Amino acid sequence: DTGVSQNPRHKITKRGQNVTFRCDPISEHNRLYWYRQTLGQGPEFLTYFQNEAQLEKSRLLSDRFSAERPKGSFSTLEIQRTEQGDSAMYLCASSLAAGGADQPQHFGDGTRLSIL
Amino acid sequence: AQSVSQHNHHVILSEAASLELGCNYSYGGTVNLFWYVQYPGQHLQLLLKYFSGDPLVKGIKGFEAEFIKSKFSFNLRKPSVQWSDTAEYFCAVNAYDYKLSFGAGTTVTVRA
Repeated sequence: DTGVSQNPRHKITKRGQNVTFRCDPISEHNRLYWYRQTLGQGPEFLTYFQNEAQLEKSRLLSDRFSAERPKGSFSTLEIQRTEQGDSAMYLCASSLAAGGADQPQHFGDGTRLSIL
Repeated sequence: AQSVSQHNHHVILSEAASLELGCNYSYGGTVNLFWYVQYPGQHLQLLLKYFSGDPLVKGIKGFEAEFIKSKFSFNLRKPSVQWSDTAEYFCAVNAYDYKLSFGAGTTVTVRA
């Protein structure tokens, strides 16, 4: 299966610790997105990249959050000094840029973060 | 910014019943509309999308959706559901800025 891959699947950590998640998109996709989903809600946009450039960040993405896509392939999302409210499912998606915004985004299985 | 409203939080129905899930969005410009499905334990998958042309779009597994511009709606339908359609369904919209805005989702439970 050459879908979007996310690691780890689950992360449990103590409040105040730093965590990093990884996303490997579908190989030919040059757009990569991060979303956050909490219980009973749909995914909420966090940020997206086209190749290695981070083009937009949501106001949801506080200074404690940083995302990178250094070579335009995989991406990492780091949360520093985690707080209880960071507990959520973090989803990664990828799409082709060619053709515009109607290109469907393909989602990974997500990383579930639990803050103790 | 776009916002999406899904009318039903949880729908329970029997096999062979018809399904219709409501979705309304708020945005004055041109939008692309999507329905995604998440089966238990699986990732979000695209059911169907609308971006232009025929407002009645057909997707996978017998689903279809109708875009009614005047009502800002994109309702999902299936004439006869199966037990395997038990899942969570999300309506989503984007515009020129690519990022998707999702509704809160509707959990559909199909009883055998």
